[in-house]
Amino acid sequence: QKEVEQDPGPLSVPEGAIVSLNCTYSNSAFQYFMWYRQYSRKGPELLMYTYSSGNKEDGRFTAQVDKSSKYISLFIRDSQPSDSATYLCAMGRVSFNKFYFGSGTKLNVKP
Amino acid sequence: DADVTQTPRNRITKTGKRIMLECSQTKGHDRMYWYRQDPGLGLQLIYYSFDVKDINKGEISDGYSVSRQAQAKFSLSLESAIPNQTALYFCATSDAGGEGGELFFGEGSRLTVL
Repeated sequence: QKEVEQDPGPLSVPEGAIVSLNCTYSNSAFQYFMWYRQYSRKGPELLMYTYSSGNKEDGRFTAQVDKSSKYISLFIRDSQPSDSATYLCAMGRVSFNKFYFGSGTKLNVKP
Repeated sequence: DADVTQTPRNRITKTGKRIMLECSQTKGHDRMYWYRQDPGLGLQLIYYSFDVKDINKGEISDGYSVSRQAQAKFSLSLESAIPNQTALYFCATSDAGGEGGELFFGEGSRLTVL
């Protein structure tokens, strides 16, 4: 079983839609939960991170962590064509700066 | 200029050839990583280094080796390339004291082994 599972998509939505991206994981020791955004032919860039359970909001983006269910989500409100990218979840432990990535979900926001 | 620079950006080679991918960074970070990205598999850790004298194997180190020449330089070698090493390779850095353990990635090196 992979440490982190993520639906690869692709996910296609109209501009303005609310997007929900999700990952599940198996290791209960994970404490850092991150979302990276990767544009075509570019390296991933950190979008948001959360520590332990709860919600974190940054503009149109909300990251949610449910440690009891081992489930994390990223919500994008009022999605824009510029949000079209691959979104990778990643997670790791506090004591060890090593991260486990999901396979990435490709998102296409149509104008 | 990019904070994390990878060379070459693209390389086509033949089976059995030795290949080196180089990474240099200007972020002043101690920690450097090499990842491989394949469609549907996400990013897999090949090797990582927490300082110049520290080298550690990741999930998929077989067939690869690394050298940490300086704090700012971390190179990945394929001693005898094979076709299933065709992939997109990323170098990344992180700050040991940074919160959230953010990784800073280069733009990738696309390797094709024929």
